[in-house]
Parts: sequence; C-alpha cells; structure tokens
Amino acid sequence: AQSVSQHNHHVILSEAASLELGCNYSYGGTVNLFWYVQYPGQHLQLLLKYFSGDPLVKGIKGFEAEFIKSKFSFNLRKPSVQWSDTAEYFCAVNLFNDYKLSFGAGTTVTVRA
Amino acid sequence: DAMVIQNPRYQVTQFGKPVTLSCSQTLNHNVMYWYQQKSSQAPKLLFHYYDKDFNNEADTPDNFQSRRPNTSFCFLDIRSPGLGDAAMYLCATSTPRTAAYEQYFGPGTRLTVT
Repeated sequence: AQSVSQHNHHVILSEAASLELGCNYSYGGTVNLFWYVQYPGQHLQLLLKYFSGDPLVKGIKGFEAEFIKSKFSFNLRKPSVQWSDTAEYFCAVNLFNDYKLSFGAGTTVTVRA
Repeated sequence: DAMVIQNPRYQVTQFGKPVTLSCSQTLNHNVMYWYQQKSSQAPKLLFHYYDKDFNNEADTPDNFQSRRPNTSFCFLDIRSPGLGDAAMYLCATSTPRTAAYEQYFGPGTRLTVT
C-alpha cells in the first residue's frame, strides 16, 4: 500500500539549533511532494512543494527540503530554528495529476527559548 | 485576499443531534475536500468534490454526508454525531491550474459532542 512515513513523532530543540525532519514515501510513480505546517491554533499552511526541476526547494520562513528520488525521501531542513517554529509539521504526497494527498502522521516540533 | 473560510470555528452538538459545518472559498477552485483531524494525527480525507462530482472515501462512515450547491460552497452534514466524531474538521481546495494540485486549507471547525 502507498504510504508516507515521518521518522520523528516529537522533536525538541533549543533556539538556533538546526532542524531536519525525515519523510519517506512508498509511491512508485512520479510524485509531487509537500511540507505543511500547522502552528498552534492555526490552519495548515504550505511551507514548500516539489513537483519538478531542482530537487532542492526553498520555502517560506527559511525552510528548505531536498527530494532524493533514489531514497524516496523529502527531508525538511532549517539551519537555525526560532521559538516561533514550534508547530506540527506534515509531509504529504500526491501522484502526478492526482488531486488527493496522502499525509504522514506529523512531527511535533517544540523549540525552547 | 482569496481564502478558504469555515463556519463556525467551534461547534458544540449533542450526541445524535444532526449538525452541519460549512466551507466557502473565494479561490474559484474546482476541487473541495473535507478532512477529519483528531488530536496529534494526520488529517483523514472523508470525501471530496471535483466540480459537481462527489467522491467518497471507502472508509468514511455513512453518518457523514456532503453537499456542494455551487463552486464556492461545500457543506459537511453529520447525521447522528457520536462521541467519536469529536474532532477538527478541515476544508481544503485545489485546482488543476497549479502544477501540483497543492491544497489550501481553511482554519477548521472544532466539533465537540456532548
């Protein structure tokens, strides 16, 4: 069955630390990849997406992600986190031309001031 | 600003009492989705509309229904809410005009069942 796996359930960091969240998917075809963020009490927002071209994509708020096709991975990174990055992060995948998303279970990131 | 709007933001209903949640969008997107999200879990797709075509997920309970009277509005009807239906309900939209069908989410309606 097709699935999206996020490696960490809960990550706790101090401000200025680097962040990397893992995401792997099991789809065999061409995929579009997304990272969404949900800040406390707010709606899901798109951080970044990959659909073609440069596998290193940059998103909002200093986040970036790298698509590694051979590893079926799309890991999210931020070199230096801030307290305001405390949120739930979801990796999501859809097949090319498919408008249904499959979400990972999410990773809660807590940044300590 | 173009957006996805959900009303109400908080809804309390009694066990077994029908409830309707609403979603509207100013994005003019073809596709509208309803998700159920429970605490610390991923959103779970209940169903979606592609224009007027309704698509139900296989594991969505019959208790959940939806209506889309026009492009802008979509409703989620829960005919007989149970305690297990307490959750955040998210509406989202997408369009083939974007490269990847990324979805735009509303703020959600938090449903409490007493």
